[in-house]
Parts: sequence; C-alpha cells; structure tokens
Amino acid sequence: DGGITQSPKYLFRKEGQNVTLSCEQNLNHDAMYWYRQDPGQGLRLIYYSQIVNDFQKGDIAEGYSVSREKKESFPLTVTSAQKNPTAFYLCASSITGLGVGEQFFGPGTRLTVL
Amino acid sequence: SQQGEEDPQALSIQEGENATMNCSYKTSINNLQWYRQNSGRGLVHLILIRSNEREKHSGRLRVTLDTSKKSSSLLITASRAADTASYFCATDSRTGNQFYFGTGTSLTVIP
Repeated sequence: DGGITQSPKYLFRKEGQNVTLSCEQNLNHDAMYWYRQDPGQGLRLIYYSQIVNDFQKGDIAEGYSVSREKKESFPLTVTSAQKNPTAFYLCASSITGLGVGEQFFGPGTRLTVL
Repeated sequence: SQQGEEDPQALSIQEGENATMNCSYKTSINNLQWYRQNSGRGLVHLILIRSNEREKHSGRLRVTLDTSKKSSSLLITASRAADTASYFCATDSRTGNQFYFGTGTSLTVIP
C-alpha cells in the first residue's frame, strides 16, 4: 500500500464517543489527505494538508478534526458531532499538494458506530 | 462539484474480452488519473494523463482524454479474472491542491 499505514483496520465506536484514526507515511511526502468512502460511492475529501502545521477543509469536514504536527503523521478525529460516521476511511499522500502527482493510499480503516 | 462520473456503474465480461469504462467531469483540469480499488482495500494508481495529452498506454491499459468533451476512457485489453475491481477516475482542481474522484465502475471478469 505504498508506504502508508493506517490503524486500526476495524474500529467500533459507541455513539457520542470521539475516535482517532491513525495515518503514517514513510514516503517523505509533503501532502496528506483524508477521504471518506460510503458503500458503492466514490471518495469524498474530508481534510488535506500540504505541509506540516497547515491543513484545509475538504468538502465534508464537519464533525471531523485533524492535526499535522509531523510530516509523516496525519491523524483524523471523528467527533461526536459527525452525524453519520459509519464509513470506510482512506488516508493518502502525494509528493506535493500542488500541481501534478499521483496519490498513494493506505489500506483504510472501517469505522462502525454501534 | 467537480466530481467525475464513471459509466457504466457496473460491467461484467468474460476473461479475455476488453473492458471499456468512461469518465466525465465538469470543469477544466490539469490532469486526470485512473485508480483501481480491490474490495475493502485502498486505491492503487494506474495511470495519469495530462490535459495536453490525448492518449496514453501502460501495459494492457489505454487511456484517452478529450478535453473538449470533458471525458476520458480507460480500456483494459485481454482482461483477466485478477482485473476484477472498482475503477475510479480522479481529476485535479484548478488550483491543483485537491483531487476529485468519480463514483467508480465495478468491473467483474468471469473466468
């Protein structure tokens, strides 16, 4: 999966709890991304970061938060404010967030709210 | 939204046949990429075509881009059962700092 790891693979959460999904890359990429994928759907961008200590909201940022304190790490917190958090979450990175470049994806985390 | 749409949503073919899937998008792009996703896994990059290119090949893959029609096609020749997966197109934004993924084509190759 291109040098990107996500953990855990499966995550169960009770309603009202915050949970944090881990994403680590050893590709020395500047840019990192979080996507959400629902069954039979494409990917929707939650947050992205082009450089350490900087990140921007994507199309569906409400109810999520991120941090980018280190180049190799971009954790995603799903807060209790996210109304429908059950989904497959994918983290990706690219050499740079600007211009042309392929994205390398992690294996994903499947989050289920009980 | 600039999100692309793939067509067809699902495609089932016999091994050895060719598979063609299409992608349409809404606004001007710098480049278009195709990705593959096996069930429950992350996406894997297949090929990138720039806006000034019309056709690109990579092994059994052939991608075309028609910027006037805002569409692209992915052709997989001599398909194999291992090609069974979902295929997504992705376009960049005008500023180049985001990618927009289509809804995907689910390909099943029957041995």
